[in-house]
This record gives sequence, C-alpha cells and structure tokens, in this order.
Amino acid sequence: AQRVTQPEKLLSVFKGAPVELKCNYSYSGSPELFWYVQYSRQRLQLLLRHISRESIKGFTADLNKGETSFHLKKPFAQEEDSAMYYCALKYNYGQNFVFGPGTRLSVLP
Amino acid sequence: DAGITQSPRYKITETGRQVTLMCHQTWSHSYMFWYRQDLGHGLRLIYYSAAADITDKGEVPDGYVVSRSKTENFPLTLESATRSQTSVYFCASSGSGRGETQYFGPGTRLLVL
Repeated sequence: AQRVTQPEKLLSVFKGAPVELKCNYSYSGSPELFWYVQYSRQRLQLLLRHISRESIKGFTADLNKGETSFHLKKPFAQEEDSAMYYCALKYNYGQNFVFGPGTRLSVLP
Repeated sequence: DAGITQSPRYKITETGRQVTLMCHQTWSHSYMFWYRQDLGHGLRLIYYSAAADITDKGEVPDGYVVSRSKTENFPLTLESATRSQTSVYFCASSGSGRGETQYFGPGTRLLVL
C-alpha cells in the first residue's frame, strides 16, 4: 500500500541554521511527490512539487528513488518558516493523494 | 479570486444532529476531496469525487455522506454527529493530469458537543 512517513513530529532550529524535513514514501509505481505548508490556522498551500525541480521561499527538495525519499531542505531558516509541513504522494495517475503525518517546524529567534 | 471556499468556517453542534459542510470551487476542477485533520493523524481522506455524480470512499468514510450533483459543489454531511467527528475539515480540488496538485479550502472547524 502507498504510504508516506515523516519521522519528526516537531523540529526546532535556530534562525539562520540549516533545516531538513524528512519524508520517505513507499510506492511501487512512478511517484509524484509534493510538499505542502500550513501556517497557523490557515489552509494548506503547495510549496513544492518534485517534477518542477524549483526552489520556493529558499526551499528545495530532491526525489531520491533509490532511498524512496523526498526531503525538504533550506540552508538558512527564517522565523516566518515556522509552520506545519506535509509531504504528499500522488499515485495511480488519478488524483489520489496520501499525506504524511506532518512535521511542525519551529524556528527560534 | 474565489478559488475554493468552504462554509461555514466554524460550527458547533450537538451529538446526534445532522450537519452539512459546504465546499465550492470556481475552477471547474473535475476532482474534489474531503479530508479531516486531527492532531496525531495529519490529514485523512474521507471521500473524493472524480466528476459530477461519481464519488468514492477514502480512508475514514464511516458516518459521512457526500454528493456531487454539480461539478463545482461537493457537500459533506454528517448524518448523526458524534464527538469523535470534532475536527477541522478541509475540502480540496484538483484538475486531472500529471503534475496537477490539490488546492485546499480554508477549512471548517467543527465542534460536536
């Protein structure tokens, strides 16, 4: 079955420090991976999608099929990055998504 | 820029009452979804719809009913609300095709007393 894991429930870093939010998936087919961000009491917003290979708000993520991972990275964390981050896997070419449990990032001053 | 909207944004109800949460999107997306968000569980899919009059169960459908008579609307009904259905409910929509992502509504906070 398709599954997404995010091992850290909470990740705290100091402002200016590098941050990496881990995401691993299990899926036998060709995956599409996404990162969503949810700021306090707001809706989920798309942050990154792996097929775009883009950098948004300084964040990047690389799909590693060998390790079945899609970790989210940023070299210098900012306080405004504090939010809940969800990794999501799209499968079966339909629009079926499975979300990870989320990681709460707290960037300390 | 209407996008995807949900109503009501906040709802308090009592156990046993019927509650309907509304979701409306203006993009003519074919796919629509309902999720519930709970601490420790993240997002869990309740129901989804691939097109008007086509719906299917997600991970946690028990106690919920959906309909989709029009492409733009996807109401979620709790037939007899229970305390365990206290949650934040998010509606989402998506176009078809590779690379399409889901766009989320603002959420409805439901409290069942």
